[in-house]
Amino acid sequence: GENVEQHPSTLSVQEGDSAVIKCTYSDSASNYFPWYKQELGKRPQLIIDIRSNVGEKKDQRIAVTLNKTAKHFSLHITETQPEDSAVYFCAASKTATSGTYKYIFGTGTRLKVLA
Amino acid sequence: GAVVSQHPSRVICKSGTSVKIECRSLDFQATTMFWYRQFPKQSLMLMATSNEGSKATYEQGVEKDKFLINHASLTLSTLTVTSAHPEDSSFYICALGGRSEQFFGPGTRLTVL
Repeated sequence: GENVEQHPSTLSVQEGDSAVIKCTYSDSASNYFPWYKQELGKRPQLIIDIRSNVGEKKDQRIAVTLNKTAKHFSLHITETQPEDSAVYFCAASKTATSGTYKYIFGTGTRLKVLA
Repeated sequence: GAVVSQHPSRVICKSGTSVKIECRSLDFQATTMFWYRQFPKQSLMLMATSNEGSKATYEQGVEKDKFLINHASLTLSTLTVTSAHPEDSSFYICALGGRSEQFFGPGTRLTVL
């Protein structure tokens, strides 16, 4: 079945530095790739997403890149701040002809931004 | 995005009892809702997909007779953990299905003693 690998599992960066989290998916039919930020005991919050017809998307300090050939997608956070500290999850999804879909989540990356 | 609520936010119960968790959409009619389980320091694992007015589709390894899902209306889905045991202690999160996005509820922390 579909599998999503995520690396690294933990990441510590100095405030102001950049952070990069990478995911690899197995199902080439996947066409939607959201990234979620989850703080302890809270719900996952969508921070950015990308569809398979786009190679890159940026929203202020956050960007996502997609390489369909290699089945990789990455989250880039620039100018990191302590409030960026959280667990980040990638996910891959494909829409069936019936219109149904489901997410397969990566294993998560615990990001710690050191002040 | 859609506003999703879950009730209760926390529940502690004795082993062998059943617990019902409600997931409500406050501003969006969701034909599809998803139920996830998240153990400490782990990822979100999809348990089942529920479609309004029909039976839920369970993921492999999830017992449908133990985790009863009802999606009777476009704004309410319930998950009942029957005969709960300590290993069922987890964070249960529902999500509403948009066109491709999912909108997550705040989660329910279940502790089974």
